[in-house]
Amino acid sequence: KAGVTQTPRYLIKTRGQQVTLSCSPISGHRSVSWYQQTPGQGLQFLFEYFSETQRNKGNFPGRFSGRQFSNSRSEMNVSTLELGDSALYLCASSTEGRTSSYNEQFFGPGTRLTVL
Amino acid sequence: DQQVKQNSPSLSVQEGRISILNCDYTNSMFDYFLWYKKYPAEGPTFLISISSIKDKNEDGRFTVFLNKSAKHLSLHIVPSQPGDSAVYFCAASAFGNQFYFGTGTSLTVIP
Repeated sequence: KAGVTQTPRYLIKTRGQQVTLSCSPISGHRSVSWYQQTPGQGLQFLFEYFSETQRNKGNFPGRFSGRQFSNSRSEMNVSTLELGDSALYLCASSTEGRTSSYNEQFFGPGTRLTVL
Repeated sequence: DQQVKQNSPSLSVQEGRISILNCDYTNSMFDYFLWYKKYPAEGPTFLISISSIKDKNEDGRFTVFLNKSAKHLSLHIVPSQPGDSAVYFCAASAFGNQFYFGTGTSLTVIP
């Protein structure tokens, strides 16, 4: 079974631009979560999508948005990029996400975004 | 507001010895805890988990201990192997909602 894939793997943008990152979950997984990883901050939760609906949202500004398609693929968009947005963006998929039986999340390799 | 904390950014251990990685949390509503391992240029991979109804879970060389009164969990790796060298993240969740991750501990196992 193929793992979580993220495209592109590396991206360089300049301040003020916008960027879209893509995530394809494991087949059959309906929950996709996005995280930002920066040195010293660990993984910061951005948002989670389940069945095309945003179910959870972290504490990030509105410049960060996402969506999920009917095939569970998800995209994350960051508008008006700032230098501080430089980070590794990880997506993770799981079968259900929020459920009485917990499921671990399976992570993709991440997209390394550099904002100049 | 860092609800999950890993206060040791790095740890070095000799091969064959025990590695102990620690994690503290502040939210008493957390009821599920996980450890992930991350190699460079890869996403984190799930290692082991524990629910709040247990105080210990073991999987091969990996054991996670949970002390709810102290809001503390630890990951023990015995014996440590060079291939265990990676960054380890602990994560916590309340009722299956979003996961909160610590900042990670970089483990180096010295051959």
